[in-house]
Amino acid sequence: GNSVTQMEGPVTLSEEAFLTINCTYTATGYPSLFWYVQYPGEGLQLLLKATKADDKGSNKGFEATYRKETTSFHLEKGSVQVSDSAVYFCALSSSTDSWGKLQFGAGTQVVVTP
Amino acid sequence: GAVVSQHPSWVICKSGTSVKIECRSLDFQATTMFWYRQFPKQSLMLMATSNEGSKATYEQGVEKDKFLINHASLTLSTLTVTSAHPEDSSFYICSAKGGWGGTSTDTQYFGPGTRLTVL
Repeated sequence: GNSVTQMEGPVTLSEEAFLTINCTYTATGYPSLFWYVQYPGEGLQLLLKATKADDKGSNKGFEATYRKETTSFHLEKGSVQVSDSAVYFCALSSSTDSWGKLQFGAGTQVVVTP
Repeated sequence: GAVVSQHPSWVICKSGTSVKIECRSLDFQATTMFWYRQFPKQSLMLMATSNEGSKATYEQGVEKDKFLINHASLTLSTLTVTSAHPEDSSFYICSAKGGWGGTSTDTQYFGPGTRLTVL
């Protein structure tokens, strides 16, 4: 079956540091890939997505590139802020599922200190 | 745009009672809604998928008689936890996807979640 594996957290870093959260997936076909963010006390928000190999999703300074050869979709940000403290979820949607169900990774908590 | 609300945001109930959670799409037509359960510091587990006007499709291992889902309109889906027990205590999250005026998007928009505590 399909699965998503994320690096475990929490990840603690200082403001303006470089952030990378690793995400790898297992899926048949050509899934769409997503990063969602959950700020404290709020619901999940779509951060970025990519629907085919070599696509790069970007938003709010975050980027992730769909790498089919390594089945990865790592999230990066060059200079984090305290406001980026949140839980980040990698997810995929199988190309064979007509309803677009999402398979989530376990989530990675990121803590940015001033 | 694309706002999904849930009500209530938290609820405490006694064991054996039933609890209804509402999920509404406020500014778009939600043709498909999803219900998830999230345990502390864990990922979201999909419970069921529902299309407006159709019966929900439950994931393996989810009791359909315990978690009743109704998607009666394009803006409202409800999850009723029947005869709740302490092990049903969890964070329940809905999401919706659909569109506006005949167009549709594949993006799921999530509600803020409902914290259920069963005593």
